[in-house]
Amino acid sequence: DADVTQTPRNRITKTGKRIMLECSQTKGHDRMYWYRQDPGLGLRLIYYSFDVKDINKGEISDGYSVSRQAQAKFSLSLESAIPNQTALYFCATSDPQGGDYGYTFGSGTRLTVV
Amino acid sequence: DAKTTQPNSMESNEEEPVHLPCNHSTISGTDYIHWYRQLPSQGPEYVIHGLTSNVNNRMASLAIAEDRKSSTLILHRATLRDAAVYYCILRALITGNQFYFGTGTSLTVIP
Repeated sequence: DADVTQTPRNRITKTGKRIMLECSQTKGHDRMYWYRQDPGLGLRLIYYSFDVKDINKGEISDGYSVSRQAQAKFSLSLESAIPNQTALYFCATSDPQGGDYGYTFGSGTRLTVV
Repeated sequence: DAKTTQPNSMESNEEEPVHLPCNHSTISGTDYIHWYRQLPSQGPEYVIHGLTSNVNNRMASLAIAEDRKSSTLILHRATLRDAAVYYCILRALITGNQFYFGTGTSLTVIP
């Protein structure tokens, strides 16, 4: 099984719908992140969490919310989806105590808002 | 956050070395230099990182300029599986370890 699992892998939803993207990890890392990737723009940080009681906004948090249900689970919600939120979404984890090897990413969720 | 500048794209012939440059003129003394790569349809994966000294691992080498304002990722023998987007990222210990990605360099490997 993958260290960082994202569900669903692909999703098509309609404008105005609420949608949740889920991320779970088996690495035991405290820190989790949500990124968005658009063509030609690289990855941009949406939200991050350093532990279960900690939530922080990233570069582009407007229109998104997150929930850290447990150390291993970090969900991203779009309360009312709009077409310009069509993108590839990545979840990642990191462990600052485990050396300096940075992040482990999931395989991504491709979201299309029509 | 400190920024990095990379060429948008590069090409290399298969089995030849590849040098991927990165400029980070505003780097601070505590910023680590990380390289990640993203294969098609996958999430980014760790390649290598360093602070001041040159680094080698099984995937690549990282050469860091003496003034730390630039670095070069070296793939010693490019293979078709190395075709990916390569990101040079500065990780600021002081601001809490978040990575901020740029647009990276898209590497094409020619058979």
